[in-house]
Amino acid sequence: AQRVTQPEKLLSVFKGAPVELKCNYSYSGSPELFWYVQYSRQRLQLLLRHISRESIKGFTADLNKGETSFHLKKPFAQEEDSAMYYCALSSTGNQFYFGTGTSLTVIP
Amino acid sequence: NAGVTQTPKFQVLKTGQSMTLQCAQDMNHEYMSWYRQDPGMGLRLIHYSVGAGITDQGEVPNGYNVSRSTTEDFPLRLLSAAPSQTSVYFCASSSVGSGYTFGSGTRLTVV
Repeated sequence: AQRVTQPEKLLSVFKGAPVELKCNYSYSGSPELFWYVQYSRQRLQLLLRHISRESIKGFTADLNKGETSFHLKKPFAQEEDSAMYYCALSSTGNQFYFGTGTSLTVIP
Repeated sequence: NAGVTQTPKFQVLKTGQSMTLQCAQDMNHEYMSWYRQDPGMGLRLIHYSVGAGITDQGEVPNGYNVSRSTTEDFPLRLLSAAPSQTSVYFCASSSVGSGYTFGSGTRLTVV
């Protein structure tokens, strides 16, 4: 069965420090992995997806099939990065499975 | 391009009342879904639809009904509201190969 695990509910880092939000998944096939971000009381927005291999707002994520991970990283955190981050897996291209989310706080 | 539109944004219901949360998308996406978001539990899938006339249950379907008579609309009905249904509800749509586009959410309180 598909499963997405985000082990950290809360994560605090200082401005300018590196940040890594962890995501592990279980899926027997070839999944598509995504990161979504939700700023305070706003809708979820797609941050990035593994197949595009792009960097958005300084964030990157690499799919590690051996470790079944898709950790989100940014070398220098900014205050505006404070938000809720969700990792998601898509198995069929349509149905998505979300982790429980990590609330990131960047301390000035 | 409006994307995914949800109405209402806020709603307070009394226990036992029924209501319909509206969701419409204008991107011709075949896939639509409803999630509820609760603190510490992330997003849980309520119902989803892979196309007009086709719906299926997600992880937490009890107490909710859906229908998909058109590609654009995917309303969620609460049959008899309960305090446990107090939550933020998100509608989302997608097509094959794209990520989800989410609506702005409906904050529902059942008293």
